[in-house]
Amino acid sequence: AQSVSQHNHHVILSEAASLELGCNYSYGGTVNLFWYVQYPGQHLQLLLKYFSGDPLVKGIKGFEAEFIKSKFSFNLRKPSVQWSDTAEYFCAVNANQAGTALIFGKGTTLSVSS
Amino acid sequence: DVKVTQSSRYLVKRTGEKVFLECVQDMDHENMFWYRQDPGLGLRLIYFSYDVKMKEKGDIPEGYSVSREKKERFSLILESASTNQTSMYLCASSLAGAYGYTFGSGTRLTVV
Repeated sequence: AQSVSQHNHHVILSEAASLELGCNYSYGGTVNLFWYVQYPGQHLQLLLKYFSGDPLVKGIKGFEAEFIKSKFSFNLRKPSVQWSDTAEYFCAVNANQAGTALIFGKGTTLSVSS
Repeated sequence: DVKVTQSSRYLVKRTGEKVFLECVQDMDHENMFWYRQDPGLGLRLIYFSYDVKMKEKGDIPEGYSVSREKKERFSLILESASTNQTSMYLCASSLAGAYGYTFGSGTRLTVV
């Protein structure tokens, strides 16, 4: 069975600091990888995704993630965070085959102070 | 844009009641999903469906059932609500696994 591990439960940063959120998954086959964001009081939104090709993926709002297959990792990065990035971030994975569902990590809460 | 609509934003039900949570999507997606979201536990998959009348158990199906009679509608049923089912319930749909999911706004269910 697949599983997803997010290393940080709560990250606190000042504006302009750099961000890296860790995500590791366990699954031996080909996977699709995602990062979702949930702003306070809002529904989940897709930040970025990887399913093939260039392992460095760029998403919305200046976020990017790098897929490192040998490490089973898909870490999220942003060079300079803003107060508006305060949110909960979820890493998710599904097997690249029909009939499977996304499995989510437990989430990382990011708090950015101005 | 795909819209996933959950019929209720907030619900309060009594222990033992049968509860129906409804979800409708408007983009002809084959796949639909129900998750529950709890603080510190992330999103946990309850059930999903990849076709009309098809259903698959997720990680935590106990105490729940689902119904998918039409492609656009996926219902979650709590057969006999219990207080440990108090949670935020999220519905999602997708065209295929590589496309990612579109989520509804969620239903916050409180069982008293």
